[in-house]
Amino acid sequence: DGGITQSPKYLFRKEGQNVTLSCEQNLNHDAMYWYRQDPGQGLRLIYYSQIVNDFQKGDIAEGYSVSREKKESFPLTVTSAQKNPTAFYLCASSPRLFLGGYTFGSGTRLTVV
Amino acid sequence: DAKTTQPPSMDCAEGRAANLPCNHSTISGNEYVYWYRQIHSQGPQYIIHGLKNNETNEMASLIITEDRKSSTLILPHATLRDTAVYYCIVKDTGNQFYFGTGTSLTVIP
Repeated sequence: DGGITQSPKYLFRKEGQNVTLSCEQNLNHDAMYWYRQDPGQGLRLIYYSQIVNDFQKGDIAEGYSVSREKKESFPLTVTSAQKNPTAFYLCASSPRLFLGGYTFGSGTRLTVV
Repeated sequence: DAKTTQPPSMDCAEGRAANLPCNHSTISGNEYVYWYRQIHSQGPQYIIHGLKNNETNEMASLIITEDRKSSTLILPHATLRDTAVYYCIVKDTGNQFYFGTGTSLTVIP
């Protein structure tokens, strides 16, 4: 079955460390997205990518970085510059940029210890 | 970008229809109405979307008023597994999705 796989499901980070969250899709979708969700809040867009080797900042990109070297993969790095990284991170994809009917992964819960 | 207004929470008895309202009084002619739901600690799941006409699929029905200023998502026979946060989103084709805080639906046995 096609879908999006995020790993790991839970991640603990020490302050000052960079961490990378994995997102892989086998849906042959061109567009991919990273969202952040804080408790009791909606989703906020961090970065998005329309196509391989292209990505754009979303609403809250500071302290994050991404790459899109392969169509299937869109890893997110949470850098030490992100002041409040503890959150639930969600990856999504769609056939084309901002086309409805997104498919989401199951998320990674990042905790800074 | 609060283009929609939803009640923060609702309850529904198991087996009954769940009717989730959404107000979008400033919707423009090119904007679609989308519904997603998010079960606790999982990613959102697409449910249904529509422009003007009522829509139905295997999960739910979407009723859009004639003036398009509001809509209702109907889960015809709610089960305990339908307990989730439901997001109503309006957007144009070229714009991003804005997921607000949605409606937390609790299905009661």
